Amino acid sequence: DGGITQSPKYLFRKEGQNVTLSCEQNLNHDAMYWYRQDPGQGLRLIYYSQIVNDFQKGDIAEGYSVSREKKESFPLTVTSAQKNPTAFYLCASSMDWGDTDTQYFGPGTRLTVL
Amino acid sequence: GDSVTQMEGPVTLSEEAFLTINCTYTATGYPSLFWYVQYPGEGLQLLLKATKADDKGSNKGFEATYRKETTSFHLEKGSVQVSDSAVYFCALSGGETSGSRLTFGEGTQLTVNP
Repeated sequence: DGGITQSPKYLFRKEGQNVTLSCEQNLNHDAMYWYRQDPGQGLRLIYYSQIVNDFQKGDIAEGYSVSREKKESFPLTVTSAQKNPTAFYLCASSMDWGDTDTQYFGPGTRLTVL
Repeated sequence: GDSVTQMEGPVTLSEEAFLTINCTYTATGYPSLFWYVQYPGEGLQLLLKATKADDKGSNKGFEATYRKETTSFHLEKGSVQVSDSAVYFCALSGGETSGSRLTFGEGTQLTVNP
């Protein structure tokens, strides 16, 4: 089955530690995205990548970093510089970078900072 | 910039009731409009979309019509079921500010009681 996988489902981190969230897709999509979801709020875009080896900052990129070395993978690192990292993180992909393209979402990773 | 406003929730209905969730948008250009649904603990799934004015998106008994004159994309269903309980997000892309990025509303929590 084609789809997007995110791991782990739950992640706990101590303050001051960096942590990397995995996102893999086997849909052969060019574009990938990372969103952050906080309770009672909509999704906010952290980073996006239109094509392999390229990525752009979204609306809330501070304290996060990404890489896109392979088409199917778009890992997100939450660094110690992110002041309030506890949230639900969602990865998505779309076939192309087009405004009518549907974004398909993974199941999410819930990050809790202890 | 581009923005999406959804009716405030939560919304609680009895099974077989009629559902309307209001969504209005602000965007220049010709955005595409989407409704996504999120079940508890999961990622988002596309429910329906419309890419131009007067288009009607429909899926699983849900409908929404792209109304450019009122800048609205209200979600409706004639008879809701308990299994429709979820959070519903209205979103747009393709506005002149957002480009191909998705801009989300805050989400509306729907609970359907038997």
